[in-house]
Amino acid sequence: AQSVTQPDIHITVSEGASLELRCNYSYGATPYLFWYVQSPGQGLQLLLKYFSGDTLVQGIKGFEAEFKRSQSSFNLRKPSVHWSDAAEYFCASYGGSQGNLIFGKGTKLSVKP
Amino acid sequence: NAGVTQTPKFRVLKTGQSMTLLCAQDMNHEYMYWYRQDPGMGLRLIHYSVGEGTTAKGEVPDGYNVSRLKKQNFLLGLESAAPSQTSVYFCASQRGSAYEQYFGPGTRLTVT
Repeated sequence: AQSVTQPDIHITVSEGASLELRCNYSYGATPYLFWYVQSPGQGLQLLLKYFSGDTLVQGIKGFEAEFKRSQSSFNLRKPSVHWSDAAEYFCASYGGSQGNLIFGKGTKLSVKP
Repeated sequence: NAGVTQTPKFRVLKTGQSMTLLCAQDMNHEYMYWYRQDPGMGLRLIHYSVGEGTTAKGEVPDGYNVSRLKKQNFLLGLESAAPSQTSVYFCASQRGSAYEQYFGPGTRLTVT
């Protein structure tokens, strides 16, 4: 079965430091990949998506992600984290048996002042 | 343009009671989804719809029913609430196959 794995449950970084959140997917063909962010008590907001083409995609709020087929990864990065980036981040892949999004279990990001 | 809205935002039910959660979208999207979110579990698909008048089961459909009588609305019903249905419920809509989903703000349901 198709799956999305986010190995890190919780990450803490200092404000101004760089960030990388890991995501691995299992899918034979080229997947459609997404990163969503969820602030406390809020719904999910799309940060960026990858369907095809350039493997480095830019998103909102200064985030980017790189698709690496050889590693089955789609890691999210930001060069300098702001306190407002503290949230939970979900990686997702399109193509479940019902044609739906398959979500990872999420990575909670805490930001130290 | 409100996007995806959910009603109510919070609800407390007693075991055995029933209720309906309403999801509405104003983006003319074909596909709509209901998820539940539990700590450490990510989002799990309950039911979904690929068009007006159609519904299908997702990963965790037991204890829930849905209806999509109008394209813009997707209702989730709990027939006889159980404590295991305490969760945060999210609705999402999608323009068509292989597009991103847009999420509502969620409904926090507690069953005592």
